[in-house]
Amino acid sequence: ELKVEQNPLFLSMQEGKNYTIYCNYSTTSDRLYWYRQDPGKSLESLFVLLSNGAVKQEGRLMASLDTKARLSTLHITAAVHDLSATYFCAVPHTSGTYKYIFGTGTRLKVLA
Amino acid sequence: EAGVAQSPRYKIIEKRQSVAFWCNPISGHATLYWYQQILGQGPKLLIQFQNNGVVDDSQLPKDRFSAERLKGVDSTLKIQPAKLEDSAVYLCASSQGTVYGYTFGSGTRLTVV
Repeated sequence: ELKVEQNPLFLSMQEGKNYTIYCNYSTTSDRLYWYRQDPGKSLESLFVLLSNGAVKQEGRLMASLDTKARLSTLHITAAVHDLSATYFCAVPHTSGTYKYIFGTGTRLKVLA
Repeated sequence: EAGVAQSPRYKIIEKRQSVAFWCNPISGHATLYWYQQILGQGPKLLIQFQNNGVVDDSQLPKDRFSAERLKGVDSTLKIQPAKLEDSAVYLCASSQGTVYGYTFGSGTRLTVV
């Protein structure tokens, strides 16, 4: 059974600091997705990573994918309060399908 | 483009009652998903439709949950009878069936008391 694990589960950090969230998954996949969820809101797509070595950046967030290590990272640079949210990674259940298995989520709180 | 519409936003019911949720996907999106998100957890797929056919319902508790997608557009998810552990946010998502992921609706927050 595919397992998707994120760490840390909770992250409290000061504004201006850098940090990385990790997403490990247990079976082969050439795709990985990152979503953001604000409290009481739905999930917003952040990044779509479609191949080994893919790197995407948007503002202070950068995501990468290493399919051989079955690992994706979401790096936060110079955090600001507006980045406070829960971040989920998701992996297709099997190759070629659109059934995603979501990670447990990382709840990020950026302190002013 | 209009997003994925869901209603109601919130629902409180007593256990053993029934409830239904409605979803209208983005126009032209053939694939529709219902996810259950329990507080503090990631979303879990309940059912996936391709047009009006079920692709995957392996995680749907079929003794109490049912879903349909008539005419390949709107979908309803029903719970009957509800249990306390069904308290969750029910998210609907749709996609064009490409690798670029889904668009989620705002969800329905269900509280069973």
